[in-house]
Amino acid sequence: DGGITQSPKYLFRKEGQNVTLSCEQNLNHDAMYWYRQDPGQGLRLIYYSQIVNDFQKGDIAEGYSVSREKKESFPLTVTSAQKNPTAFYLCASSPWEGRNEQYFGPGTRLTVT
Amino acid sequence: GEDVEQSLFLSVREGDSSVINCTYTDSSSTYLYWYKQEPGAGLQLLTYIFSNMDMKQDQRLTVLLNKKDKHLSLRIADTQTGDSAIYFCAEWIATGNQFYFGTGTSLTVIP
Repeated sequence: DGGITQSPKYLFRKEGQNVTLSCEQNLNHDAMYWYRQDPGQGLRLIYYSQIVNDFQKGDIAEGYSVSREKKESFPLTVTSAQKNPTAFYLCASSPWEGRNEQYFGPGTRLTVT
Repeated sequence: GEDVEQSLFLSVREGDSSVINCTYTDSSSTYLYWYKQEPGAGLQLLTYIFSNMDMKQDQRLTVLLNKKDKHLSLRIADTQTGDSAIYFCAEWIATGNQFYFGTGTSLTVIP
């Protein structure tokens, strides 16, 4: 089955620790995205990548970092510099051509205490 | 930036039709989409419409696009309790490859 996987589903960390969220896709999509969703709110773009070894900041990139060493993988690191890291994080991918619709993973809920 | 607005909440009775509305400000959108998000899950692509179309029907779903008014709607016929979710509209503007999501509408279906 083709799709996007995110792991883990739930993640707990102590304040001051960096944490990396995994995102993998086997859809052969060129583009990948990370969004943050807070309760009762829409999606806010953190980073996106159009191609391997290239990525761009979204609207709320401060306190986050990403890498794109492989087409299939786009991990997100939430650093200790992120002031309010507790949120639901969604990864998506798109073909970057045609309709370019985004397909989403199941999300990771990060809780930092 | 682009503004994509939706009403926050909608309640309907089971078996009735639901209409979820979306307005946007940039008229250069190429495709517009509707996504569904169930609690604690990712977004699921429901349907899409190309910007030169007025209407698209897909089983119980009907999408209407009024480009003049920059208004997009999703009609769900015979709404079921399983349709309770948050619905997001989204638009893709090919020039500059910009993708914008709406604020989401929480649909509650009352049995």
